[in-house]
Amino acid sequence: AQTVTQSQPEMSVQEAETVTLSCTYDTSESDYYLFWYKQPPSRQMILVIRQEAYKQQNATENRFSVNFQKAAKSFSLKISDSQLGDAAMYFCAYRSGDSNYQLIWGAGTKLIIKP
Amino acid sequence: DADVTQTPRNRITKTGKRIMLECSQTKGHDRMYWYRQDPGLGLRLIYYSFDVKDINKGEISDGYSVSRQAQAKFSLSLESAIPNQTALYFCATSDALWDTDTQYFGPGTRLTVL
Repeated sequence: AQTVTQSQPEMSVQEAETVTLSCTYDTSESDYYLFWYKQPPSRQMILVIRQEAYKQQNATENRFSVNFQKAAKSFSLKISDSQLGDAAMYFCAYRSGDSNYQLIWGAGTKLIIKP
Repeated sequence: DADVTQTPRNRITKTGKRIMLECSQTKGHDRMYWYRQDPGLGLRLIYYSFDVKDINKGEISDGYSVSRQAQAKFSLSLESAIPNQTALYFCATSDALWDTDTQYFGPGTRLTVL
């Protein structure tokens, strides 16, 4: 069975600095998708970025980018120019590329932004 | 207006009561999901529906039931609420044909069972 591990329960970063959140996963599949979701204090679960495993290029969305290392089964999220509004729980999630819809979630990393 | 809405946003109830949580979406997605989130954990799937006539159990369906009244509406019921069902509940939607079937979430319902 697939598993997703986020080894950092909490991270902090100075405003305007860069921070990287770690995520590793275990799978025997070659076709899958990876996601980062953000959950601010409002508790809404918001999609930050997604990566298709068949794509070698790392996904980027404005200040958010990923470092996808397929062989190492690593999917880290880099947040550049951190802003106060980035403070949230960040969840990494995995989904199989076949007809299995189910998202497998990590336990989350709490990101604190220091002004 | 939000694409995925959930009602109520917060609910406090007593053990043994029947509770219904409702989810509506305007995204036109065919797939809908119900998750629960407990402190310190990721989300766990309760039920999912790929269309109005296709409803399936997730990993933690015991004690829950669902109804897909229309493509846009998916409700979750707790027939007889118990305290360990206190959690944050999320509805999500996705489109099987577009957007890599990415799931989009509602704002959540915080349920407390006393």
